[in-house]
Amino acid sequence: AQTVTQSQPEMSVQEAETVTLSCTYDTSESDYYLFWYKQPPSRQMILVIRQEAYKQQNATENRFSVNFQKAAKSFSLKISDSQLGDAAMYFCAFTYNNNDMRFGAGTRLTVKP
Amino acid sequence: DAGVIQSPRHEVTEMGQEVTLRCKPISGHDYLFWYRQTMMRGLELLIYFNNNVPIDDSGMPEDRFSAKMPNASFSTLKIQPSEPRDSAVYFCASSGYRAAQETQYFGPGTRLLVL
Repeated sequence: AQTVTQSQPEMSVQEAETVTLSCTYDTSESDYYLFWYKQPPSRQMILVIRQEAYKQQNATENRFSVNFQKAAKSFSLKISDSQLGDAAMYFCAFTYNNNDMRFGAGTRLTVKP
Repeated sequence: DAGVIQSPRHEVTEMGQEVTLRCKPISGHDYLFWYRQTMMRGLELLIYFNNNVPIDDSGMPEDRFSAKMPNASFSTLKIQPSEPRDSAVYFCASSGYRAAQETQYFGPGTRLLVL
């Protein structure tokens, strides 16, 4: 069974600083996809970034980047130049061909001004 | 595109009543997913459709829950009769062809409270 683990229930970062959120997963599949979603207080689930497992290059979206370590089954999210609007719950998610997306328990990120 | 649309945004009902949640996926998307989010269990996939056909409903908690997708632009999730433990945020999401690669785009959710 596929599982996703986020070991940090809460994280805090100073505005303009960098923070890294951790995610590990367990699967026997070789072809799969990983995502980070952001859920602000509005509860809307917003895609932050995605990574295809067959790609060795780490995905980047503006201030957001990932460190994808396939052998270690690790998929961390780095937020650079943190902004107040980055405060939210962040969910790591995994899916493969059957479309069954599994989510981690989430990490609550606080950004201090 | 307006994104995934869900209605109502909030629903308060009494135990035993029927609840119907509605979803309009993004036009052109052929996969539709229903999720439930609670503090205790996090985000759970309830059911998903491909081209209006239910593919996997193993996440539906019990027979009180049912979902339909009569056409490509509309789906419902019904709870009958509702119970207090059904209180949660219900999300609808959709994705395009080869959904494992495509991102699932989520609606704003329906916050359900069963008294």
